[in-house]
Amino acid sequence: GAVVSQHPSRVICKSGTSVKIECRSLDFQATTMFWYRQFPKQSLMLMATSNEGSKATYEQGVEKDKFLINHASLTLSTLTVTSAHPEDSSFYICSATEGPETQYFGPGTRLLVL
Amino acid sequence: GQNIDQPTEMTATEGAIVQINCTYQTSGFNGLFWYQQHAGEAPTFLSYNVLDGLEEKGRFSSFLSRSKGYSYLLLKELQMKDSASYLCAVIRGSQGNLIFGKGTKLSVKP
Repeated sequence: GAVVSQHPSRVICKSGTSVKIECRSLDFQATTMFWYRQFPKQSLMLMATSNEGSKATYEQGVEKDKFLINHASLTLSTLTVTSAHPEDSSFYICSATEGPETQYFGPGTRLLVL
Repeated sequence: GQNIDQPTEMTATEGAIVQINCTYQTSGFNGLFWYQQHAGEAPTFLSYNVLDGLEEKGRFSSFLSRSKGYSYLLLKELQMKDSASYLCAVIRGSQGNLIFGKGTKLSVKP
């Protein structure tokens, strides 16, 4: 199956700093990428939908100024958590799709904000 | 509104068969996925249904009834490594936006 990578896999940062997470589709061009967040023992919650070259569409309740998404190419999307706080600590997962019936997940990034 | 329901936890015995149900009420429907997720890892794809009926893939099968808003995942010949969370997800939008259920934690006992 298609491969999606994320970097970093794990990050620890101080409160108030910004953290950038990269999501890459390695062997296909992703028309759309999605960003999810998963808190412990909960399911994945869609944060935003990202299309190459256009502004991301955020889900209700997700602050677009806090979670900056850039989708510069068909193989790369980045999520920047700005001014991170302890409550932003979570497992962030991206997925990439070639079409509605195919969606491949990255391995996830575990963020811990101290 | 969006609502996807799955049982929270299930327990089954190694070698047995288990069925995990999922009911959904969503504003849009473009297909349904089942994913397996081990603790601390990303979900891995198991199945995709867009038409009514049963899709079989090895030990795993998935069924969909769009009129009833219902799906199930059937796991046969259970193995210890099948202990994981199983996530039901509905494709809501034309771009593939997934809405996930809370997941069913399956424990396989010897």
